[in-house]
Amino acid sequence: DTGVSQDPRHKITKRGQNVTFRCDPISEHNRLYWYRQTLGQGPEFLTYFQNEAQLEKSRLLSDRFSAERPKGSFSTLEIQRTEQGDSAMYLCASSSSGGAPGELFFGEGSRLTVL
Amino acid sequence: QKEVEQNSGPLSVPEGAIASLNCTYSDRGSQSFFWYRQYSGKSPELIMSIYSNGDKEDGRFTAQLNKASQYVSLLIRDSQPSDSATYLCAVNGPYSGGSNYKLTFGKGTLLTVNP
Repeated sequence: DTGVSQDPRHKITKRGQNVTFRCDPISEHNRLYWYRQTLGQGPEFLTYFQNEAQLEKSRLLSDRFSAERPKGSFSTLEIQRTEQGDSAMYLCASSSSGGAPGELFFGEGSRLTVL
Repeated sequence: QKEVEQNSGPLSVPEGAIASLNCTYSDRGSQSFFWYRQYSGKSPELIMSIYSNGDKEDGRFTAQLNKASQYVSLLIRDSQPSDSATYLCAVNGPYSGGSNYKLTFGKGTLLTVNP
């Protein structure tokens, strides 16, 4: 049973560039979440998918952020025109429809550094 | 704006002692409560969930919930050096037709267990 997989694990980019992260959830999980975590803070919710439908999106997510989950399998999170404030760990998590919505399985994260 | 408050610590206890971690939340409509453990440089891992008032025990861990006081706690008995980590309190709900599934996390409490 493989866990949640994220790629790349580390990304260093220059301000203004676009970056894309991929998340492969646990295969039988139909719920997928993206969170962002900065040093000394708890994870902060970005967006949530149930199957292919994006059901919730944080107001903190500016127009530069977009997430997709085509066919209800893997998901991508794209950040356009990156800013230094986007530097963070981007965490993907998944959960089963049979479990409580808050019982999440997190991937190891994609660390973004914007220079 | 839903808020979850935790003492940031660090909380230092000797090996074998009881570690007590506390959390308060602002939204009286919250329905589900979770404790996640996060080792340094790793992603959060669910260790306890609690949904109704009272105590819930799992091995050396006991979660306590008091909805009237909007208070959640985690007790770790016979603390071990391997318990040294940041403990994140998280809440979600009320649920509404597949929405509001996001978790709101506290900033976490850093626990150090000294041999």
